[in-house]
Amino acid sequence: DAGVIQSPRHEVTEMGQEVTLRCKPISGHNSLFWYRQTMMRGLELLIYFNNNVPIDDSGMPEDRFSAKMPNASFSTLKIQPSEPRDSAVYFCASSLSTGVQETQYFGPGTRLLVL
Amino acid sequence: SQQGEEDPQALSIQEGENATMNCSYKTSINNLQWYRQNSGRGLVHLILIRSNEREKHSGRLRVTLDTSKKSSSLLITASRAADTASYFCASEYSSASKIIFGSGTRLSIRP
Repeated sequence: DAGVIQSPRHEVTEMGQEVTLRCKPISGHNSLFWYRQTMMRGLELLIYFNNNVPIDDSGMPEDRFSAKMPNASFSTLKIQPSEPRDSAVYFCASSLSTGVQETQYFGPGTRLLVL
Repeated sequence: SQQGEEDPQALSIQEGENATMNCSYKTSINNLQWYRQNSGRGLVHLILIRSNEREKHSGRLRVTLDTSKKSSSLLITASRAADTASYFCASEYSSASKIIFGSGTRLSIRP
């Protein structure tokens, strides 16, 4: 079975540009999580969805970040406009659960570099 | 600030030795999980221990949880080169459905 799929795997962009990260969760999973990982701040939960509904977006750093989940098999994380401090690895994870306590399956991540 | 803090930040041991990593958290939790991350890859779930459990085993892994000390440890016995990775604890608040990852321990196994 395919795991969590993320695209692109690498993204290099210039400050001010819009960046869209994509995630396809494992089929049948009903929770989806977006994380950001940096050396300075470690792994941070940005937002998570349950049954396509955003449950907790308190980790979203600012209004430049937005996430959507239009259906059970697709989610996007958008940064507009991007800034150099947004450079990080962004992970998507999914789980078969109504909460966060169950095993999360992580995608390979998108490595974002904002110049 | 992060809920879980891990100790040590980095650990280098000889192949065949045991590796112990510790995780501390600040408030009551429902459960605690350990994940592994190989360089450049996503995290992989290793084991989950619930707040009413004290010890759990999975192959060469042994996890303990001490809720009175708000700490957990991960022991990897008979380490192998393939165990080289970063290990993260992740704790779920009792007060909210939110999971917080620790800062991680970078484990290096010397051949």
